[in-house]
Amino acid sequence: AQSVAQPEDQVNVAEGNPLTVKCTYSVSGNPYLFWYVQYPNRGLQFLLKYITGDNLVKGSYGFEAEFNKSQTSFHLKKPSALVSDSALYFCAVRDYRTGTASKLTFGTGTRLQVTL
Amino acid sequence: DTAVSQTPKYLVTQMGNDKSIKCEQNLGHDTMYWYKQDSKKFLKIMFSYNNKELIINETVPNRFSPKSPDKAHLNLHINSLELGDSAVYFCASSQSGQGLYNEQFFGPGTRLTVL
Repeated sequence: AQSVAQPEDQVNVAEGNPLTVKCTYSVSGNPYLFWYVQYPNRGLQFLLKYITGDNLVKGSYGFEAEFNKSQTSFHLKKPSALVSDSALYFCAVRDYRTGTASKLTFGTGTRLQVTL
Repeated sequence: DTAVSQTPKYLVTQMGNDKSIKCEQNLGHDTMYWYKQDSKKFLKIMFSYNNKELIINETVPNRFSPKSPDKAHLNLHINSLELGDSAVYFCASSQSGQGLYNEQFFGPGTRLTVL
């Protein structure tokens, strides 16, 4: 069985400072990892994904994530936070099955609050 | 130009009623999903259809019945609504296939309130 843990319910950061939102995963095979963001009263929006290759993945809105196999982590980062980044962030791991749809298992979400 | 759309956006109804939520995607994807997000924002998959075939069916009461008339549409019908069904329901779509690791695109959600 696959699982994702987001250990922090909320992360607070001042605008202009770097931010990190943590995610660890558990999966039997190769992990396919995703980050999504949810703004209030909206659906989830895809930010970035790790499939294979470089451990540092760049995504939308200046976000990036670092895949660390030994620590089974996929932390989301941004060098300089903006107030508009305030939202709910979900990490997800995928169960890949050839020829069929993938099943995403989501973490419990981390609320990012960026203040002036 | 909405990629994944859902109707209605809000649904308020009495316990015991039957209601439907509709979802349409214009992305040309072959796979669609229903997710439930509870009041604590926990997101859990309910169903998935690939080319109109049910391929994921999580532990969901049989009062919930998905229907996919074609690849672009996935509807969710709920019978005998209960208080615990109150949640936000999200539709999503993606393109499947070996070698494709494609992300899912989500609709705006339908907020269901059962009184």
